[in-house]
Amino acid sequence: NAGVMQNPRHLVRRRGQEARLRCSPMKGHSHVYWYRQLPEEGLKFMVYLQKENIIDESGMPKERFSAEFPKEGPSILRIQQVVRGDSAAYFCASSGQGTDTQYFGPGTRLTVL
Amino acid sequence: KNEVEQSPQNLTAQEGEFITINCSYSVGISALHWLQQHPGGGIVSLFMLSSGKKKHGRLIATINIQEKHSSLHITASHPRDSAVYICATSGGGLTFGKGTHLIIQP
Repeated sequence: NAGVMQNPRHLVRRRGQEARLRCSPMKGHSHVYWYRQLPEEGLKFMVYLQKENIIDESGMPKERFSAEFPKEGPSILRIQQVVRGDSAAYFCASSGQGTDTQYFGPGTRLTVL
Repeated sequence: KNEVEQSPQNLTAQEGEFITINCSYSVGISALHWLQQHPGGGIVSLFMLSSGKKKHGRLIATINIQEKHSSLHITASHPRDSAVYICATSGGGLTFGKGTHLIIQP
C-alpha cells in the first residue's frame, strides 16, 4: 500500500514562472492537506481539501496561490508568478474519512532563482 | 486560533538518557499529534492522542486535557533518535509548534 506521493521532489523555477506541485493521497483517503515550511521556520497550514471541494483555505496567501483536488487524479498546489519568498518545502498529507491521523508525503522542495 | 508552544527548543543529551519534550496549547482540541522530522526533511507521524497515554517502543506520549499540556518521552535514547520533534493540534489542518531539535550524542 503506497504512502502519500508527491512530485516533483525538487523544483527549480525562475521568478515569474509558475510552479505546480502534485500530491497523490494514500489509497482510500479522500482528505488532503497542504503545508509549507519556510527555511528555518516551522510548518504552517495552507489548505484542506476533500474531493472537488476546498474545506478550509485560511492559510493560503490571498494572491498567486490556488489548490484543487479533482474527482480523478492528484491534488495540485499551483503558485503563479513565483517570487524568491516562495522558496520552501511544501508537504501534503492525507487522511481517511472519520479519522484525524494524517500521513505525510516526502515534500517538494521549491527553489525560486 | 490555537497557539502551540514547545519546550525546550533545543536539547542535547547523552545516549541512554531519558528525554522529555513538552507541548502546551491555548484552546480545547479534538486531538494532539506528535511528529518526527528527520534531517533529510521527511515527516513521520508518531502519535495521535486525545486522552491519557500511548506507548510505542521507547516512545511514550501523554496528554492532560484539563491543563492543555502534552509530553513526549523517549526512554534509553539513541543517536538515531536525533531529529526534530513537533507537536501539532487538530482542527482540520494542523497547527504546529516550532519543534524541538534533539541531538543524542553517543
